[in-house]
Amino acid sequence: NAGVMQNPRHLVRRRGQEARLRCSPMKGHSHVYWYRQLPEEGLKFMVYLQKENIIDESGMPKERFSAEFPKEGPSILRIQQVVRGDSAAYFCATSLRPPNTEAFFGQGTRLTVV
Amino acid sequence: AQSVSQHNHHVILSEAASLELGCNYSYGGTVNLFWYVQYPGQHLQLLLKYFSGDPLVKGIKGFEAEFIKSKFSFNLRKPSVQWSDTAEYFCAGGPRGNEKLTFGTGTRLTIIP
Repeated sequence: NAGVMQNPRHLVRRRGQEARLRCSPMKGHSHVYWYRQLPEEGLKFMVYLQKENIIDESGMPKERFSAEFPKEGPSILRIQQVVRGDSAAYFCATSLRPPNTEAFFGQGTRLTVV
Repeated sequence: AQSVSQHNHHVILSEAASLELGCNYSYGGTVNLFWYVQYPGQHLQLLLKYFSGDPLVKGIKGFEAEFIKSKFSFNLRKPSVQWSDTAEYFCAGGPRGNEKLTFGTGTRLTIIP
């Protein structure tokens, strides 16, 4: 029973490059949440998606960040023109249809911008 | 705005000591509350959750938490910790019916053998 799979686990990008982070939900899960964890801080909500729909992107920076969850394939968090401040751990969580359902987390992608 | 506060940033205990980690939330309506644990290099795992009903919630690995509405608290407890409990612990909450979670800043727990 595969859990939530995130890849890559570690990603190094130079300033100005693009970062693409992938999240494959647990079987049967159609709701995806992305969180960012900066050093010494808790997880901060970024975006909530269902298949082909963005439900809540109130935590997404207005520029350079985008997310999608296509009908087929994993959810993608894309960061364009990365800057040093984007260095963080990015976690996705997936769940069955809410409300009151447990969200299962992936192992995260640690992005380092050099 | 909703917030979740964890006041203990780093707790160091000896094995067999009792544990209590504080968590306070600020949200006036009905709320779902969670405790997650993150072992070094691993993903977050759910320890326990509160949706409704009995305010004393029992989770995995001998952990429990008590929802005290009057104090806006959801403290995590364990009567006797083990070295393997060394990890980071996160309290999280969200309004009922909304799956977006707000996390506390985490408490790093170190157990000394």
